[in-house]
Amino acid sequence: EDQVTQSPEALRLQEGESSSLNCSYTVSGLRGLFWYRQDPGKGPEFLFTLYSAGEEKEKERLKATLTKKESFLHITAPKPEDSATYLCAVQAGGNKLVFGAGTILRVKS
Amino acid sequence: SAVISQKPSRDICQRGTSLTIQCQVDSQVTMMFWYRQQPGQSLTLIATANQGSEATYESGFVIDKFPISRPNLTFSTLTVSNMSPEDSSIYLCSVDRGQGSYNEQFFGPGTRLTVL
Repeated sequence: EDQVTQSPEALRLQEGESSSLNCSYTVSGLRGLFWYRQDPGKGPEFLFTLYSAGEEKEKERLKATLTKKESFLHITAPKPEDSATYLCAVQAGGNKLVFGAGTILRVKS
Repeated sequence: SAVISQKPSRDICQRGTSLTIQCQVDSQVTMMFWYRQQPGQSLTLIATANQGSEATYESGFVIDKFPISRPNLTFSTLTVSNMSPEDSSIYLCSVDRGQGSYNEQFFGPGTRLTVL
């Protein structure tokens, strides 16, 4: 069974304090690993899809990396507007996404 | 990307009634998905809806409880039938805009359902 575990559950940072979120996964035949941002009361916002170990993608202050067992979402010099829940999901056979529980990020100014 | 709208954005319903949620996409897509996000939890896939065929349901979800329609390539509905308080959740539709091995799935804003 495909499984996704995200850590930490919650993370509090000061503005400008860089950190990383972790997504560990177990899947048979990874087709893609997805990162989303979700603000309260809204649907998930697509950030990245990673396809193979060693791949990296960047968007503004966010950088996602992928290994054979986990993915990291690095946040460089975060700002208060980066506060959100960050979701990781894996896609194996078909188009189904299996989501982790998410990491709640709070950035204080 | 994709522009996805859902109606209603939220509703409060009585136990035993049914609610139909609409999902509209700004361009044609082959596959549409319906997810549920229970309070404080992550997303769980309910079913996959392809135009012109029966929806495919995930384990734990049945057609009698969550009937789905997919009349064309830009629209789908999910009905939550005979509701109970346990059905209180956010219901989200999503679409796959990927091509070949390139995958991107985009989500609508969600419908927040409260069942009393």
